[in-house]
Amino acid sequence: GQNIDQPTEMTATEGAIVQINCTYQTSGFNGLFWYQQHAGEAPTFLSYNVLDGLEEKGRFSSFLSRSKGYSYLLLKELQMKDSASYLCAVRDTGGFKTIFGAGTRLFVKA
Amino acid sequence: EAQVTQNPRYLITVTGKKLTVTCSQNMNHEYMSWYRQDPGLGLRQIYYSMNVEVTDKGDVPEGYKVSRKEKRNFPLILESPSPNQTSLYFCASSLWAASGDEQFFGPGTRLTVL
Repeated sequence: GQNIDQPTEMTATEGAIVQINCTYQTSGFNGLFWYQQHAGEAPTFLSYNVLDGLEEKGRFSSFLSRSKGYSYLLLKELQMKDSASYLCAVRDTGGFKTIFGAGTRLFVKA
Repeated sequence: EAQVTQNPRYLITVTGKKLTVTCSQNMNHEYMSWYRQDPGLGLRQIYYSMNVEVTDKGDVPEGYKVSRKEKRNFPLILESPSPNQTSLYFCASSLWAASGDEQFFGPGTRLTVL
């Protein structure tokens, strides 16, 4: 079956670093995406990994291990505005279907 | 401004009354998709379209129809809505269905079926 697992909620302190994990079991794999979704808003793209390793983009980094079916999103120098849900998504082999995890709600406290 | 638009943003209807949610993008994207988002379940793909006149089922297509007569528009049709279709719906588009193409999402349509 197809399954993507993420923690439901996490809490972190402003200025700190937080790592959000994602494990996946899918019938095919053609890339892994992370999206950010603020409450009541649409998801917006954060990062994309298709090869193993770390992709860095400012305060956000994303890591992928295809052999382990594992990814994480690393957020550094947390700000209050980073309080949001973070969605892990896998694109299938053909590229047409995308499977999303249920999302991780991150609370950043002062 | 490059964007995906959806209408209506909010809709309350009754069981069995046909409705259409429109979706339009101005980015000349080939690929478009519909998702529903429910608490604890995340985004689930309903239908997608790779190009004009080419559509296919996602993971939860039952009770929905779509059409892609023009590249920019991808309406979602509920022929006979039922209460279990109460949800938050998102339309999304990307340049192609290629692996690295991010999806751009519309603002969402909150549908309540009584």
